[in-house]
Amino acid sequence: AQSVTQLGSHVSVSEGALVLLRCNYSSSVPPYLFWYVQYPNQGLQLLLKYTTGATLVKGINGFEAEFKKSETSFHLTKPSAHMSDAAEYFCAVSDRTGWGKFQFGAGTQVVVTP
Amino acid sequence: DAGVTQSPTHLIKTRGQQVTLRCSPISGHKSVSWYQQVLGQGPQFIFQYYEKEERGRGNFPDRFSARQFPNYSSELNVNALLLGDSALYLCASSWRQSSYEQYFGPGTRLTVT
Repeated sequence: AQSVTQLGSHVSVSEGALVLLRCNYSSSVPPYLFWYVQYPNQGLQLLLKYTTGATLVKGINGFEAEFKKSETSFHLTKPSAHMSDAAEYFCAVSDRTGWGKFQFGAGTQVVVTP
Repeated sequence: DAGVTQSPTHLIKTRGQQVTLRCSPISGHKSVSWYQQVLGQGPQFIFQYYEKEERGRGNFPDRFSARQFPNYSSELNVNALLLGDSALYLCASSWRQSSYEQYFGPGTRLTVT
């Protein structure tokens, strides 16, 4: 069975500082990996995904994530936080058979301070 | 193109009642998945439908059911509502069953009193 752990339910960063959100997964086979963002009272928006190939993936809004198989991690980073980055971020995994069943982490709420 | 749409946006029901939530996928998408997101938690998988057949089910009681129509829209039904069913219900569509790229709608906020 797969599982996803997001370290830190709340993260506070200063505007212009590095954003680092941690995600670790548990799976017998490396899954597909995703990061989604959710703004208040909205659905989920895909930031980026890893399926195969290059382990450093770039997404929208300046975010990127690196798949590290040895560490079973898929941490999300952004070099310089912007006020508009304040939102909740979810890491998700899907096994490679598809089936459209995503396993989500509990989420990390990001607060950006001026 | 329009994204995934869901209706209604908000809903308030009483314990024991039944509710129907609706989802229209992105044009051309044939797969619809439903998720329940309780406040403060990540979304939990409920169902996936593809070509009008159930293709996956999460760990939810039989009070939850769904169907997909010939136009690929979908309904989620919940019977005998409990307070714990209060949540944001998200619908996601993808163009085929095994697609790893899902597009989420804005959700329906269900409050059970």
